[in-house]
Amino acid sequence: AQSVTQPDIHITVSEGASLELRCNYSYGATPYLFWYVQSPGQGLQLLLKYFSGDTLVQGIKGFEAEFKRSQSSFNLRKPSVHWSDAAEYFCAVFLYNQGGKLIFGQGTELSVKP
Amino acid sequence: DARVTQTPRHKVTEMGQEVTMRCQPILGHNTVFWYRQTMMQGLELLAYFRNRAPLDDSGMPKDRFSAEMPDATLATLKIQPSEPRDSAVYFCATSGELNTGELFFGEGSRLTVL
Repeated sequence: AQSVTQPDIHITVSEGASLELRCNYSYGATPYLFWYVQSPGQGLQLLLKYFSGDTLVQGIKGFEAEFKRSQSSFNLRKPSVHWSDAAEYFCAVFLYNQGGKLIFGQGTELSVKP
Repeated sequence: DARVTQTPRHKVTEMGQEVTMRCQPILGHNTVFWYRQTMMQGLELLAYFRNRAPLDDSGMPKDRFSAEMPDATLATLKIQPSEPRDSAVYFCATSGELNTGELFFGEGSRLTVL
């Protein structure tokens, strides 16, 4: 069955430190993969996406993610975290061969300490 | 600016009452998704429409939930009768013609059923 797993429920990093949020997916075909971010009380906003081609994709706010087919992973990274990055982050896979729907992981809550 | 508009933003009601949540898609977006977000279950896809036709509502409890798109500018999600376990944040998200998984989310309707 198709699924998305985010192993870390909550991560705390210091401002200025690097960040990596993990995501693993299960999908029978070549995946379309996404990272979304949700600030408190808000809807989700797209950070970046991977469809094909270069496995390292750049997104907004200085985020990047790397698709690794051999590991079924799509980890999100940022070299230097800012306090405004505190939010919840969701990895998602698009089931384009099943009617076109997006399923999400459970999310990782990021806290940033000064 | 183009955005998905959801009403009401907050709703408190008593068990057994009917609740209707509304969503105005971004102009020109023809795919509309309803998601429910809870701490325990995360983001669950309830139903989605393309060109106003329901494509999949398998995530929705059929006995009490219904989703419709009376026209291209309005999607509704109705719960009748509501129960305390329906307390959650309900998100509408829309996608353009190609529907590649890039979704635009509303700010959500927070429902509390007492």
